[in-house]
Amino acid sequence: DAGVIQSPRHEVTEMGQEVTLRCKPISGHDYLFWYRQTMMRGLELLIYFNNNVPIDDSGMPEDRFSAKMPNASFSTLKIQPSEPRDSAVYFCASSMDREDEKLFFGSGTQLSVL
Amino acid sequence: RKEVEQDPGPFNVPEGATVAFNCTYSNSASQSFFWYRQDCRKEPKLLMSVYSSGNEDGRFTAQLNRASQYISLLIRDSKLSDSATYLCVVNQLYDMRFGAGTRLTVKP
Repeated sequence: DAGVIQSPRHEVTEMGQEVTLRCKPISGHDYLFWYRQTMMRGLELLIYFNNNVPIDDSGMPEDRFSAKMPNASFSTLKIQPSEPRDSAVYFCASSMDREDEKLFFGSGTQLSVL
Repeated sequence: RKEVEQDPGPFNVPEGATVAFNCTYSNSASQSFFWYRQDCRKEPKLLMSVYSSGNEDGRFTAQLNRASQYISLLIRDSKLSDSATYLCVVNQLYDMRFGAGTRLTVKP
């Protein structure tokens, strides 16, 4: 299995630009999570999906952030407009089902907003 | 108060040493517990689950104390390759909360 695949690995953009991060979960996993990691705040859960349906988005910082999961094999996290304080590593993770809570993380996207 | 608290370290220990990390959590309704390992500039990876009765995986031992709301990780005979950040994770119905991590450096 290829594991959770994220793209791009690195993204450098200017303030005000739209940023789209992509994730392909492990096949057969019902849950997909988006996390953000910074030195100051550690790993924060932004949103998670179950069977493509958003379950909890209370961690999404503000309306500039949106996430979609159009099918079982693809999810996006979009920031529009981006701000320097959005600079962080964004991880996508997937998990098989409710009984098996183990998270498998992608390699992350290092986002720098200048 | 943070929901999951860990001593950030760093812990600098020689090879072969035994080292222990603790993690406290505030939500008494938390249901499951884990330790993840994160290498520098890499993604977190599951190290082990933590069961109520305590569990061992080779040189690693995890314990849970629900009454005092803390979990621990013990590493025996530490190796250079154990150098990483260890993240405590507390879960309640998929609301998985990560601690900030404890950084461990094992030196020759």
